[in-house]
This record gives sequence, C-alpha cells and structure tokens, in this order.
Amino acid sequence: AQSVAQPEDQVNVAEGNPLTVKCTYSVSGNPYLFWYVQYPNRGLQFLLKYITGDNLVKGSYGFEAEFNKSQTSFHLKKPSALVSDSALYFCAVRDLSGNTGKLIFGQGTTLQVKP
Amino acid sequence: GAGVSQSPSNKVTEKGKDVELRCDPISGHTALYWYRQRLGQGLEFLIYFQGNSAPDKSGLPSDRFSAERTGESVSTLTIQRTQQEDSAVYLCASSLTAKETQYFGPGTRLLVL
Repeated sequence: AQSVAQPEDQVNVAEGNPLTVKCTYSVSGNPYLFWYVQYPNRGLQFLLKYITGDNLVKGSYGFEAEFNKSQTSFHLKKPSALVSDSALYFCAVRDLSGNTGKLIFGQGTTLQVKP
Repeated sequence: GAGVSQSPSNKVTEKGKDVELRCDPISGHTALYWYRQRLGQGLEFLIYFQGNSAPDKSGLPSDRFSAERTGESVSTLTIQRTQQEDSAVYLCASSLTAKETQYFGPGTRLLVL
C-alpha cells in the first residue's frame, strides 16, 4: 500500500535559522510527491512538487525540497525561516494504483518559527 | 484568476439533519476531488469526478455520503442524517486533469452537535 509519513508532529526553529520538515514515502513505482501548507482556518496552498528530473525542487516562498530515492524521502527545506512560515505542512504522494490522481497525505507537521 | 471556492465556510447542524456542501472549481478544471480533514489529522480522500465519467466513490465512508457534479462545473457533497463523527473540515480541490497539480478551496468547517 502507498503511504506517506511525517515523523515529526511539530518542528520549532528560530527566525533566520534553516528549517527542515521531514517526509518519507512508500510507493510501488516512481513517486509523484507534493508539499502543501495550511495556514489557520485556510485551505491548503500548493508549495512544490516532484515528478521527474532534478532531485532538488524549488517552490513558492523560498521553499525547496530534496527527493532522495535511496532513502525514500522528500524533505522540505528553507535556508532562513520567517515567523510568517509558521503553519501546518503536509506532504503527499499521488496514488498510482488507479486513474484518479488522488493524493495520499501525511499527518501533517506544525512548524513554529519563533522570533 | 479565481481559485476554488466553497460554501458555506462554516456549518453547524444538529445530529440527524442533512447538510449540503458546495464547491466551485477553477474554470476549465476537469478533475474535482473532495477530501475530509478531521481535527489533528491529515486529509482523507472521499470522491473524484473527471468530466462526464463515472465518479470514483471509493473513499466515501458510508452510504450517508453522496456527491454530484454536473459536467465540469459545481459539485455538491451531501451528508444525510449527520452524526457527530462527521464533524470535520471538508475540502474540495480541482485540477486541469487527474495528472496535474490539485488546487484546494478554503474548506467548509462542519460541526455536528
């Protein structure tokens, strides 16, 4: 079965420091991976995706993610965190078992950036 | 352009009542998805529509849940005889096709008392 794991419920970083939000996946076949961010009482906003090509993917708001096939990981990173980055982050993988393209989500990681 | 919109933004109902949630996808998007987000949890897939094809209802948790979509336009998710366990945020997403990026609406927060 395909799945996504986000091992950390919460990540705390100081403003200006680099941040990493971890994601590992399990799929049969080539993965299509996504990161979304959810601000309080808002829907999910698309940050970035990996389909194929370069392992380092750049996305919105200065975020990037590194696809690592051997470690089956797709960690989200940012060189310098902002207080405004505080939000709930979801990693997702596209379900390849059918034709729907539905996403399978991790449980989410709360990022807290402190001034 | 306009994003995905959903209404109502909040809905409080009594146990046993029926509710209807609405989603307006991005214009031109043929694929439409409904997901459910329970408090403190990730999103669960509910149903998928693609154009005029038969929907994939494999994620609907019970026969109290149903959804419709007319062509490539508005979709409604109906929950009959609501239960307290139905309390959640219901999110709609659309994409150009099933292979493209999904864009989400702001969600409807449902509370069943």
